Amino acid sequence: DTGVSQDPRHKITKRGQNVTFRCDPISEHNRLYWYRQTLGQGPEFLTYFQNEAQLEKSRLLSDRFSAERPKGSFSTLEIQRTEQGDSAMYLCASRSLDDARGNEQFFGPGTRLTVL
Amino acid sequence: GNSVTQMEGPVTLSEEAFLTINCTYTATGYPSLFWYVQYPGEGLQLLLKATKADDKGSNKGFEATYRKETTSFHLEKGSVQVSDSAVYFCARSANAGGTSYGKLTFGQGTILTVHP
Repeated sequence: DTGVSQDPRHKITKRGQNVTFRCDPISEHNRLYWYRQTLGQGPEFLTYFQNEAQLEKSRLLSDRFSAERPKGSFSTLEIQRTEQGDSAMYLCASRSLDDARGNEQFFGPGTRLTVL
Repeated sequence: GNSVTQMEGPVTLSEEAFLTINCTYTATGYPSLFWYVQYPGEGLQLLLKATKADDKGSNKGFEATYRKETTSFHLEKGSVQVSDSAVYFCARSANAGGTSYGKLTFGQGTILTVHP
């Protein structure tokens, strides 16, 4: 078990471009979360998947954002027509359905997005 | 809604000093409570957790007690080390039995710097 991985670790793009990030959760973790963290703040919830189903989306997730988890394993987060306000660290976390573990989420290293 | 408030930082201490980082949460429902730590250049790691009132979470010399009467989950360590320098985040899960699928709400983080 190598933990949650995210790719790329850093992304610099120009305003108006589309970007896509990938998250590979811990194998057999059927719950996957995306969060966004801006400088000096704690992570904020964006969206959640249980297996391949997207079950909740935050109001922070505008219609320029879309997330998928087509086979219930890895997930992608796409941002269309990026804006400078999208610059942030995008974090992925996964969790086992076993509630005896007390809701612990395991976080990846994040993808740092800079929009110029 | 659910929220978490942490004491503002940064906190600067000398090695072997006593540490307290205050955290309070909104009192809706029966959440699980967490402290996550982010070391420089690394991802978020779970430090400790508590899933019900009066539980004490502990790890690496850190402790926090789930206080329902004061809606608090303060982090303490009796003798800090230089290696404890990091950003500490308090977090709560959604209410037990609710439909928010375990998403976490984080405080804004407290930067801790420990000098030799």
